[in-house]
Amino acid sequence: AQSVAQPEDQVNVAEGNPLTVKCTYSVSGNPYLFWYVQYPNRGLQFLLKYITGDNLVKGSYGFEAEFNKSQTSFHLKKPSALVSDSALYFCAVRDGSGTSGSARQLTFGSGTQLTVLP
Amino acid sequence: NAGVTQTPKFQVLKTGQSMTLQCAQDMNHEYMSWYRQDPGMGLRLIHYSVGAGITDQGEVPNGYNVSRSTTEDFPLRLLSAAPSQTSVYFCAVKSLWDSRSTDTQYFGPGTRLTVL
Repeated sequence: AQSVAQPEDQVNVAEGNPLTVKCTYSVSGNPYLFWYVQYPNRGLQFLLKYITGDNLVKGSYGFEAEFNKSQTSFHLKKPSALVSDSALYFCAVRDGSGTSGSARQLTFGSGTQLTVLP
Repeated sequence: NAGVTQTPKFQVLKTGQSMTLQCAQDMNHEYMSWYRQDPGMGLRLIHYSVGAGITDQGEVPNGYNVSRSTTEDFPLRLLSAAPSQTSVYFCAVKSLWDSRSTDTQYFGPGTRLTVL
């Protein structure tokens, strides 16, 4: 079984300050890790992913995430937050081993509401 | 290109009524899926399909049926709606074979369903 934990329901940060949204995961095989963002009344939008390679992954809108295998974490970061970054952020994982249909299913975390204060 | 479209945007049903949520894509992606989003629970997979004529159950399939007769369409049917099915439903698609977009899912705008 695979699972994702986002320990913070809400993160508040002042505009211009660095932000971190935490994510830890559990998967039996190779982890494929993702971050998605959801703006109000919209569907989810892809931000970035880790499949293999460099542990630091850069994505859309200046976001990046660091894959840490020993801590089973994939925290989302941004050096300088913008008010427009305020949204709901989801971490997701799937087992990258094998090619069966079940291996392609993503498991999402419960989401973290990020509020950037002006 | 419209990407992934869902209709209707909003729907109110009475307990026991049936309805179909529509999902269509013009991305020619093989994989299509339905999720429901509930507060504090993230997204949970209902059903998915890896191609026309092939469907399978996800984490929470009970009370829902799907079919995939074409690459483009993946309707979700509620045969007898229950208040527990009040949720926001998202359709998502992805390519299974394009290495440039491995595993990147593209989501529709969602359908907000209320069952009274």
